[in-house]
Amino acid sequence: SQQGEEDPQALSIQEGENATMNCSYKTSINNLQWYRQNSGRGLVHLILIRSNEREKHSGRLRVTLDTSKKSSSLLITASRAADTASYFCATDAPGNTPLVFGKGTRLSVIA
Amino acid sequence: ETGVTQSPTHLIKTRGQQVTLRCSSQSGHNTVSWYQQALGQGPQFIFQYYREEENGRGNFPPRFSGLQFPNYSSELNVNALELDDSALYLCASSLPGTRSDTQYFGPGTRLTVL
Repeated sequence: SQQGEEDPQALSIQEGENATMNCSYKTSINNLQWYRQNSGRGLVHLILIRSNEREKHSGRLRVTLDTSKKSSSLLITASRAADTASYFCATDAPGNTPLVFGKGTRLSVIA
Repeated sequence: ETGVTQSPTHLIKTRGQQVTLRCSSQSGHNTVSWYQQALGQGPQFIFQYYREEENGRGNFPPRFSGLQFPNYSSELNVNALELDDSALYLCASSLPGTRSDTQYFGPGTRLTVL
């Protein structure tokens, strides 16, 4: 079963614009991670945010976590054509559970 | 690039056949997880191996089995293939710890079952 659900399913923006993707989940979590996948290849880890953190930055990426709303957002600033990919959130619940991935957001950045 | 390799890249099998997929983990990682990703879906956890023992399993039938070797490489075996087994199979290695640690993914094996 997939706990995380990304929104929107697909997003198309112009190069230089910001892209925001959201993830909602159903149960309590330990951590939430964001991954990127280029056209059906392996996933690349972007960022991990713990349940006691509210915001984290990594380069052009900003992730927020609101545990009261069970949601997270990923912001990519000043997007580039190379950011075109699918983005997945993955959560893990307390008790050494495996990662559960959402269905992803397909981002297209048009040059 | 993560340093995790998988073989083969693509594979075509017919229903009822058996398949073996292989994975070499990133240097220093002794934990390997396998995921199935159907088209348009996120990866689903199949199982994890730590120090050559299965360390947790997702909701997959027993015809999905695995092995981990002393050098931490791993195999995924699927018996009695079904059409729904067509998917991208991903392995991911991680540092020893919990099942939810940061995963370092390989490029995947695309399996098509006809």
